[in-house]
Formats: sequence, structure tokens, C-alpha cells
Amino acid sequence: DVKVTQSSRYLVKRTGEKVFLECVQDMDHENMFWYRQDPGLGLRLIYFSYDVKMKEKGDIPEGYSVSREKKERFSLILESASTNQTSMYLCASSSSGDTQYFGPGTRLTVL
Amino acid sequence: EDQVTQSPEALRLQEGESSSLNCSYTVSGLRGLFWYRQDPGKGPEFLFTLYSAGEEKEKERLKATLTKKESFLHITAPKPEDSATYLCAVQAGTGRRALTFGSGTRLQVQP
Repeated sequence: DVKVTQSSRYLVKRTGEKVFLECVQDMDHENMFWYRQDPGLGLRLIYFSYDVKMKEKGDIPEGYSVSREKKERFSLILESASTNQTSMYLCASSSSGDTQYFGPGTRLTVL
Repeated sequence: EDQVTQSPEALRLQEGESSSLNCSYTVSGLRGLFWYRQDPGKGPEFLFTLYSAGEEKEKERLKATLTKKESFLHITAPKPEDSATYLCAVQAGTGRRALTFGSGTRLQVQP
């Protein structure tokens, strides 16, 4: 069965803190993605990775960075959290095919 | 620029009352169209992938169809447990691996 896990379901951080969101998949997928989801805006792509140590910017990369040191793990980093980064963060993975499988999400609140 | 528009934004049905959700898209060469179901506070759950006009796929009370400009998700005799937000997404044939999502249709099925 397909399995994508995210390190936290809920997270509360303060403005200016460095925040790490972790995602792990057990399907040996090449591609991994980070989206954020906001009411009325849908899912928007932040970054994706198509191989270990490889990454590409998505549609809204500002204020974020990523790390992929191992094939199964993809981390999203908020260098200095701001209140406008309060959102639901969703990780997904896919093989060289197409279907993306999502994790349960992390609800991040920045105070 | 790839675009996905879903309608209606929200739909309330009585149990057993069949209906359809619409997903209109513009994309540079469609590689695939995806339907997901999302329950509140959770990650999207994969339902279907459609690749070419005329293709249909079914799962229980759900049936997805595809034309060159839109896709429909038909719900036959829905039950309260079908209540969720249904998301449509497209992948362009340009080599872009990421999906472009619509804003979703919130479906509520009342007993």
C-alpha cells in the first residue's frame, strides 16, 4: 500500500523561527513535491525534487527551501517563519509515471 | 499557463440524488487529468487518472469522464459518506511533473 508520512499533523511556531517539515515515502518514488493549501487558492506548488539532491522551484518558492539527501525523504524549510506562511502543507510523491500520492498534511500556524 | 476551473464551488445533495461535478481545463498538451477526494483536515486521496478524450473510469458510486476541454465526476445515488471536497488536477505534456489543481467542489450529502 502507498504510504506518505509527514512528521507533524499540527505545528505552532513564532515569527522568525526556523521551521522544518519532514516527509517520508516508502514507495521508492523518484519525484517528491511540497504544496501549500489555502482556502480559495487551492493547492500551490512550492518546490519539487526529481532525484536525490535535485530540486526545482515551483510556483511560490519565496521564503522556502528544501533538502533531499535520501530518496525517501524530502524536507521543507522555512528559514524565518512569517504569519503569511500559516497554511496547510502537503507532501506528495510519484514515480516516473504521473499519479501523485499525498501525505496527511501539516497544519502550520505562525504566531 | 495551465488552468483548472471546477464548478460548482459547493453542492448539497439528498442521499440518493445523483449529480455531476465539472472540471474545465486549459493545458499545453494534456498528459493526464486526476481526481482526488479530500476530507477535512486530511491530505487528498487519489481516485482516478484519465489520459485521453473518451476515457471513462468507475469506482463504486463514482464515474469520471474526459473530453478535450473538461472532465465530469458523476456521483450516482450518493451516500452521506461521499461528503468531501473533490479536487481536479491536470498534468501538462510539456514535461512539467507538477500538477495544476482546481479549487475543488465541496459536496455535502444529507441523509
